[in-house]
Amino acid sequence: EAQVTQNPRYLITVTGKKLTVTCSQNMNHEYMSWYRQDPGLGLRQIYYSMNVEVTDKGDVPEGYKVSRKEKRNFPLILESPSPNQTSLYFCASSLSPTGGGEQYFGPGTRLTVT
Amino acid sequence: AQKITQTQPGMFVQEKEAVTLDCTYDTSDQSYGLFWYKQPSSGEMIFLIYQGSYDEQNATEGRYSLNFQKARKSANLVISASQLGDSAMYFCAMRPSNAGGTSYGKLTFGQGTILTVHP
Repeated sequence: EAQVTQNPRYLITVTGKKLTVTCSQNMNHEYMSWYRQDPGLGLRQIYYSMNVEVTDKGDVPEGYKVSRKEKRNFPLILESPSPNQTSLYFCASSLSPTGGGEQYFGPGTRLTVT
Repeated sequence: AQKITQTQPGMFVQEKEAVTLDCTYDTSDQSYGLFWYKQPSSGEMIFLIYQGSYDEQNATEGRYSLNFQKARKSANLVISASQLGDSAMYFCAMRPSNAGGTSYGKLTFGQGTILTVHP
């Protein structure tokens, strides 16, 4: 089954404690991205990746890091989480970054930073 | 830069009636794609429908249709014969279709509209 998986699904952590949210897709997609969803703001792109070792900032990259060492994986790293990073996070992938190719979304990770 | 505006924070509809969710957009790209996603209370993002900016006909997918008016930069979602299971948050989104530029590949989302279907 074609899917994007994220782990963990829920996470409560404290300010400053480094964490990683994993993302993996089994569709051999080149394009992957991370979004955060906040009430009233919709989804905003954090980082994206065109392919292995090719990543770039989205609209709200501050406080986040990513890496793309393998095509299937695109982890999101919060080196020193802060309460303003409390949000719902989605990983997404698509075969192509343009056209009508559907972006497949992971199930989401609900992060709370206290 | 791209911008999506959904002006209806919440909409109510009676079961079996049709409802239109509004979406307007702004972009300098000549070629782009428009998407609608559904997000039920469980949180997952479900792709509903896609419209290319050069598509001459409005897209349809089952009970969903996209009323695309390019000159007015609007891409409204029409849901016919509403069902209780249609109650959810709905997002309009767009992304450029041409390579290059800072928006390449990025889906830009609106703020969302919460649809409630009454029995």
